[in-house]
Amino acid sequence: QQPVQSPQAVILREGEDAVINCSSSKALYSVHWYRQKHGEAPVFLMILLKGGEQKGHDKISASFNEKKQQSSLYLTASQLSYSGTYFCGTERRGSTLGRLYFGRGTQLTVWP
Amino acid sequence: DGGITQSPKYLFRKEGQNVTLSCEQNLNHDAMYWYRQDPGQGLRLIYYSQIVNDFQKGDIAEGYSVSREKKESFPLTVTSAQKNPTAFYLCASSPTGGFQGRSYEQYFGPGTRLTVT
Repeated sequence: QQPVQSPQAVILREGEDAVINCSSSKALYSVHWYRQKHGEAPVFLMILLKGGEQKGHDKISASFNEKKQQSSLYLTASQLSYSGTYFCGTERRGSTLGRLYFGRGTQLTVWP
Repeated sequence: DGGITQSPKYLFRKEGQNVTLSCEQNLNHDAMYWYRQDPGQGLRLIYYSQIVNDFQKGDIAEGYSVSREKKESFPLTVTSAQKNPTAFYLCASSPTGGFQGRSYEQYFGPGTRLTVT
């Protein structure tokens, strides 16, 4: 039932790029992205609502392919502060709006 | 400052005891959620509530109970029927459960780490 995230873990040097993928077997209404630092609460990054939509903030952006039920998170020129676990949360069509199904997470480590 | 508070941050209980985790929000949000987080499992939904006096089971509701008597409060009770209660518990809220054309971010509390021995 959970969306599938890949890769499970990524290790980068500062300044390198990364892509995190989220794939669902169910038709999606939206995709949420959150980042969680160890022992802390997840923090919201962005929501993608419409098929084909792309959003960005600073050097973190994401795309949503509604037909393929997939979303990707792009981190460019990574910074040390990007380290953490990234989760996608999917809102399914036909399900209660607001109810999210989260992936297992992708652990991102950025080294200086 | 508006936000979500969870207390306590750490909780230790003996097996067989019920325990209630607190979640309070002053964001005036209608919807509230309880998640359980285990290493490598992501966030799994236990219960959610979109309005006062109403709540629905999530994916792993067995062994848990909730109440929603006030808009700002959504306590979670971990009962003795929960076989593996040791976990990190996160409470979240959002302005509403959502409606067509919109989707809302969820705001998370700092979490309660429960250890049952």
